[in-house]
Amino acid sequence: AQSVTQLGSHVSVSEGALVLLRCNYSSSVPPYLFWYVQYPNQGLQLLLKYTSAATLVKGINGFEAEFKKSETSFHLTKPSAHMRDAAEYFCAVTNNNAGNMLTFGGGTRLMVKP
Amino acid sequence: DVKVTQSSRYLVKRTGEKVFLECVQDMDHENMFWYRQDPGLGLRLIYFSYDVKMKEKGDIPEGYSVSREKKERFSLILESASTNQTSMYLCASSTTRDRGTYEQYFGPGTRLTVT
Repeated sequence: AQSVTQLGSHVSVSEGALVLLRCNYSSSVPPYLFWYVQYPNQGLQLLLKYTSAATLVKGINGFEAEFKKSETSFHLTKPSAHMRDAAEYFCAVTNNNAGNMLTFGGGTRLMVKP
Repeated sequence: DVKVTQSSRYLVKRTGEKVFLECVQDMDHENMFWYRQDPGLGLRLIYFSYDVKMKEKGDIPEGYSVSREKKERFSLILESASTNQTSMYLCASSTTRDRGTYEQYFGPGTRLTVT
């Protein structure tokens, strides 16, 4: 069975600083991986996805993530944080053979200090 | 753009009431999902459906049922609401037609309070 671990339920950075949100997964088959963002009182919005093409994936709002098979990781980064990036971020993994079901990590709340 | 809508953004119900949460998607997706989101617990799958009239239990189906009579609509039913069902409920849909994607599209959520 697949699983996702997000290290750090809360991450705080200063505006302009590097954002790094960590995600490690386990999967018995080649995974598809996703990062979603959730702003307060809203649903989840897809930031980016890895589907076995390029290992470095670029998403919306300047975010990117790198798939590292040897480390079973899919960390999310952004070179320079903005106040509007403050939100909760979820990493998710799916198994091709599991009918599109996603397993989500516990989420990381990103706080951006002025 | 894919649109997933949920019937209410905020809902307050009393213990023992029967509660219906409705979800509609407009992209002809065959898969639909209901999740529950609680602080510190992330998203937990309640039920999902991969076709009309088909349903499968997720991780936490107890106390819930679902209905999918039409492809675009997936309803979550709380037969007798209890205070421990106070939560944010998220609906999502996806398709297997676009091979290699499997992303899910989410509605805005319904924040349910049971008093």
